[in-house]
Amino acid sequence: EPEVTQTPSHQVTQMGQEVILRCVPISNHLYFYWYRQILGQKVEFLVSFYNNEISEKSEIFDDQFSVERPDGSNFTLKIRSTKLEDSAMYFCASNEDRNTEAFFGQGTRLTVV
Amino acid sequence: AQTVTQSQPEMSVQEAETVTLSCTYDTSESDYYLFWYKQPPSRQMILVIRQEAYKQQNATENRFSVNFQKAAKSFSLKISDSQLGDAAMYFCAYRSATADKLIFGTGTRLQVFP
Repeated sequence: EPEVTQTPSHQVTQMGQEVILRCVPISNHLYFYWYRQILGQKVEFLVSFYNNEISEKSEIFDDQFSVERPDGSNFTLKIRSTKLEDSAMYFCASNEDRNTEAFFGQGTRLTVV
Repeated sequence: AQTVTQSQPEMSVQEAETVTLSCTYDTSESDYYLFWYKQPPSRQMILVIRQEAYKQQNATENRFSVNFQKAAKSFSLKISDSQLGDAAMYFCAYRSATADKLIFGTGTRLQVFP
């Protein structure tokens, strides 16, 4: 069964460093998302991406964040200068179209020290 | 703005019994989708069931069913014949028909006792 794949599963980074989280969505999916879940809290939407551009973003998704689909298969989330409060589980998701369910990856746990 | 509320932080059920998880939401829209996602200890989010707001019939997936009350803005999940593998965090989520993002509730941790 096709699945969304995220790498790495766990990343530890120093405060102020740039980090790139990678995702390979399901191959025929057109909509891509990043969500995050701070430990013990609810899952929060960060950004959606369609047709090579951001279609919606939350107030969390500030200038420190960017997304890219560099090669037609990967979908990346970059955090330019990480802060301690960026420590969270980051989930990538994709769906075929708006009216179908989103499939989530297994998440990347980001720890900023 | 739309909100999703799960008022039960934790629930427990005995194996083979039935449990119902509550979810209410607030929206002024008439066309939307509702979902229940399961998050086991592995932390991956797995879709359990979905409901289209325009459908009056409650969705069912094997042992999982929902009670969708559109007027009351309520969307509860019933798990029948609970199994040890059902133990997880369950999130209720809302998506507008005109937006891409999912709005999640705070989750209910379900424990299943043998």
